[in-house]
Amino acid sequence: DIQMTQSPSSLSASVGDRVTITCRASQGIRNDLGWYQQKPGKAPKRLIYVASSLQSGVPSRFSGSGSGTEFTLTISSLQPEDFATYYCLQYNSYPWTFGQGSKVEIK
Amino acid sequence: EVQLLESGGGLVQPGGSLRLSCAASGFTFSNYGMSWVRQAPGKGLEWVSGISGSGGSTYYADSVKGRFTISRDNSKNTLYLQMSSLRAEDTAVYYCAEQNYGPDVWGQGTTVTVSS
Repeated sequence: DIQMTQSPSSLSASVGDRVTITCRASQGIRNDLGWYQQKPGKAPKRLIYVASSLQSGVPSRFSGSGSGTEFTLTISSLQPEDFATYYCLQYNSYPWTFGQGSKVEIK
Repeated sequence: EVQLLESGGGLVQPGGSLRLSCAASGFTFSNYGMSWVRQAPGKGLEWVSGISGSGGSTYYADSVKGRFTISRDNSKNTLYLQMSSLRAEDTAVYYCAEQNYGPDVWGQGTTVTVSS
């Protein structure tokens, strides 16, 4: 099985900050990776697919990069509505696997 | 608009069975693979199972293999998850999701509680 190691597990940031979250795959997954945002009590929402494609309707301050084993989600200027938990997911091979999650909290 | 609506969750005793359903609308259901993903209380997301658009291929996480069965009825635009030999650690919110480069649109979830 492919392991996804996500970091940091949590971070504190202020509105307007640039935030970066990283996922590392235990083996190469090409660009078969998505990023999801989840707020308490809500279903996850996809932000990025195929590592760097922005989901329709998602603000352009979100961006994804990487290929192979190293991937990054960047929020260029954190907004109040961005405080949430973020997950990466590899769908290169079954079983699909999520990262452990990164909780973005208000500083 | 793509919509997914899960149902069938509830309280079940350890060792019991439950069948979840996911009613789909707003897209050509048979053209898309589907997945089940769960989230235990206070924990992260766990992919549980997936199925191809035709239903001919199915996939499972090791944690549920042999106990859970995914299926679909394309004539009814409905996805199912038959869960048996349930354990306390299966307690979670279960989401269905349409697959399009991984899970795309998600339902709102249905809660399964395994407890005596």
